[in-house]
Amino acid sequence: GENVEQHPSTLSVQEGDSAVIKCTYSDSASNYFPWYKQELGKGPQLIIDIRSNVGEKKDQRIAVTLNKTAKHFSLHITETQPEDSAVYFCAASQSPRETSYDKVIFGPGTSLSVIP
Amino acid sequence: DTEVTQTPKHLVMGMTNKKSLKCEQHMGHRAMYWYKQKAKKPPELMFVYSYEKLSINESVPSRFSPECPNSSLLNLHLHALQPEDSALYLCASSYRGGGFDTEAFFGQGTRLTVV
Repeated sequence: GENVEQHPSTLSVQEGDSAVIKCTYSDSASNYFPWYKQELGKGPQLIIDIRSNVGEKKDQRIAVTLNKTAKHFSLHITETQPEDSAVYFCAASQSPRETSYDKVIFGPGTSLSVIP
Repeated sequence: DTEVTQTPKHLVMGMTNKKSLKCEQHMGHRAMYWYKQKAKKPPELMFVYSYEKLSINESVPSRFSPECPNSSLLNLHLHALQPEDSALYLCASSYRGGGFDTEAFFGQGTRLTVV
């Protein structure tokens, strides 16, 4: 089955600096890679996702890159703000067009702290 | 409406009790999921329902019993739980069917404490 690794486990940055979180996956059949932000006491919230036919995607201060050959994908947050502090999970799954559901497998998470 | 609603938000139950967790979505999603999340860990998949049929059971103990009464509702029936079952239980939904992918939306979870 799919195994997703994520680094670093904790990350502390100064407000305004950039933060980078890196993930690897094992199953070459995975073709959908979402990133979730989870604040204390809340459920995971999707912040950005990328499909395997795309190498990079950007949404304001957040960008994700995918290297399908190396099975790596990364999250980049620029101009970090204190409200970006949370646990971030990368994940991998196969398109539900083949399975009729997303078996989303999560990485272990990165606890991001943005210091004002 | 892009919301997955879970009730109750908090639940304390004894090891001999029977209780149920409820999840509801009105996004027309055809897949619904239960995840279990322990503190400082990622969510772990427990069950997947696709088109109201159980598609995945990740070797979950029988004291957890899922039910999908219709395409909008998902229940998790709990019986004879152990203290180690205390966790945040998350419901999610996705996939509109017919080749239209959607992201997985998560509810806020039910914080379960078994005493």
